[in-house]
Amino acid sequence: GENVGLHLPTLSVQEGDNSIINCAYSNSASDYFIWYKQESGKGPQFIIDIRSNMDKRQGQRVTVLLNKTVKHLSLQIAATQPGDSAVYFCAEGNEKLTFGTGTRLTIIP
Amino acid sequence: DTEVTQTPKHLVMGMTNKKSLKCEQHMGHRAMYWYKQKAKKPPELMFVYSYEKLSINESVPSRFSPECPNSSLLNLHLHALQPEDSALYLCASTRDSSRQPQHFGDGTRLSIL
Repeated sequence: GENVGLHLPTLSVQEGDNSIINCAYSNSASDYFIWYKQESGKGPQFIIDIRSNMDKRQGQRVTVLLNKTVKHLSLQIAATQPGDSAVYFCAEGNEKLTFGTGTRLTIIP
Repeated sequence: DTEVTQTPKHLVMGMTNKKSLKCEQHMGHRAMYWYKQKAKKPPELMFVYSYEKLSINESVPSRFSPECPNSSLLNLHLHALQPEDSALYLCASTRDSSRQPQHFGDGTRLSIL
């Protein structure tokens, strides 16, 4: 079946630096992509989404890039803060979402 | 605070018990979802309700029985669960389509003895 995966299970970044979290997907039929942040003991929290007719979308301190040619999705977080420490999931789909395996982001003070 | 409320937050039950998980949202959303999340794993879709009708069942065992009594409520009835069913059960909602950001509750942590 189709699956979504991440290149790195853990990522440590110095506070104030930029973070890049990557995601590979295999379902070429997916037309909707989304990033979630999940803190311990909480449900996933929406960060940013992008549709397949776009390559880039920016939010507050976050940017999502979509490369449909190589089926790659990335989340860039600018000027990371301690509160950014969490597990980040990408998800892709159309009628339903499939989540990737997740990356744990740790911010080093 | 989340806009999707799940109760109870924690539940411990035996394999012969019957219990229900509840989810409520008052955002006027018409699509609601149940996910199962094991420790250190991503959420896995179980069921999708669209306009109070079941639209997707991801081949979930019949010991899990969803119910959507109205547009604000979603229940998950549990009966004769197995130890491997221990997990965090997450509810989510969207305005009316899966191609929209899902608003998640904080889940019910279920332990089967």
